[in-house]
Amino acid sequence: AQSVAQPEDQVNVAEGNPLTVKCTYSVSGNPYLFWYVQYPNRGLQFLLKYITGDNLVKGSYGFEAEFNKSQTSFHLKKPSALVSDSALYFCAVRRNTDKLIFGTGTRLQVFP
Amino acid sequence: NAGVTQTPKFRILKIGQSMTLQCTQDMNHNYMYWYRQDPGMGLKLIYYSVGAGITDKGEVPNGYNVSRSTTEDFPLRLELAAPSQTSVYFCASSGAAGANVLTFGAGSRLTVL
Repeated sequence: AQSVAQPEDQVNVAEGNPLTVKCTYSVSGNPYLFWYVQYPNRGLQFLLKYITGDNLVKGSYGFEAEFNKSQTSFHLKKPSALVSDSALYFCAVRRNTDKLIFGTGTRLQVFP
Repeated sequence: NAGVTQTPKFRILKIGQSMTLQCTQDMNHNYMYWYRQDPGMGLKLIYYSVGAGITDKGEVPNGYNVSRSTTEDFPLRLELAAPSQTSVYFCASSGAAGANVLTFGAGSRLTVL
């Protein structure tokens, strides 16, 4: 069965510092991996995805994620955090099936 | 482009009442999904559909029903509402499975008292 784990409920970081939001997954075969962001009272918005190829994926708003097959991880990163990055971040995984399974979410708080 | 439109945005129900959450998309997507979002629980898949006339259960289907008579519409029906169904509901659509990205609606906040 597919599953996704986001071990941190909340990540706090100062503006200008690098940020990492962690995600690990469990799926047989080759996964498709996604990051979505949710701002208050809004639906989820797509940030980036990994399909195949280069392990470092670049996405919207300066975010990137690193796929590590041996550690089954897909951590979200940004070199320099902004206060406006504060939101709820979801990692998701899909094998070549119809269902996209989400993690429980990590709240990112960036302090000025 | 409107994308995915959900109605209503807010609704309060009494225990035992029924209602339908509406979802429509204008992107000609074959795949549509209903998720519920509870604090600390992330998003749980309720039902999904891979095309008109085809629906399947997700992780938490009990207490809900869906239909997909057209490509555009995917309503979610709550029969005999219970407090455990208090949640935020999101509809989403995508062109296909695999690496395709989901487009989400703005959500419907439902409270059952």
